[in-house]
Amino acid sequence: QLVLTQSPSASASLGASVKLTCTLSSGHNNYAIAWHQQQPEKGPRYLMNLNSDGSHSKGDGIPARFSGSSSGAERYLTISSLQSEDEADYYCQTWGTGIHVFGGGTKLTVL
Amino acid sequence: EVHLLESGGGLVQPGGSLRLSCAASGFTFRNYAMSWVRQAPGKGLEWVSAISGSGANTYYADSVKGRFTISRDNSKNTLYLQMNSLRAEDTAVYYCAKDAHAVAGNFDYWGQGTLVTVSS
Repeated sequence: QLVLTQSPSASASLGASVKLTCTLSSGHNNYAIAWHQQQPEKGPRYLMNLNSDGSHSKGDGIPARFSGSSSGAERYLTISSLQSEDEADYYCQTWGTGIHVFGGGTKLTVL
Repeated sequence: EVHLLESGGGLVQPGGSLRLSCAASGFTFRNYAMSWVRQAPGKGLEWVSAISGSGANTYYADSVKGRFTISRDNSKNTLYLQMNSLRAEDTAVYYCAKDAHAVAGNFDYWGQGTLVTVSS
């Protein structure tokens, strides 16, 4: 079964970096994922598509301080030079034939 | 510029029906798969249903299969979700999402959502 697992929460200080993790279920190590950001009271926003080899393509207007990487079943989103507006929920998404799956989301707090 | 605008949400009684619409602009609508994704109050994102660019293929989450119907009118650049036999647990903000491809892939644009409340 295709499942994505995320930690419920993370925190980091203003100006620092943070690395969020999304883990694919067993047997799905080669799946690409997408990262989406949802700021409070807003709809989701696409950040990037991330392949198993770590290559990624970002959405329109996504700053360079957002980057992605991969290792085995893990997919990472790194945000550097944290700003207050980065405080949001972050969701990973993957897909198969006739199905889309979301992780449970990580709530990022900027201290 | 891609724009997705949902409409049709509102308050409906359990067992009732509602039809959501999503008006799309800024891209060649027929070339891309589309989905509906919902978010219950205080919860995460849940994929609901998807449709291929041509409309020939449709897919549903188990939680809505047999009750919801996704469709599209490529001449009107509009996506629909017909929701029947609504339950309290269907209460959520419903978003339409554009796929980056003609068939399943990552979502690359989202609408702002429309709220559906199922309550007596």
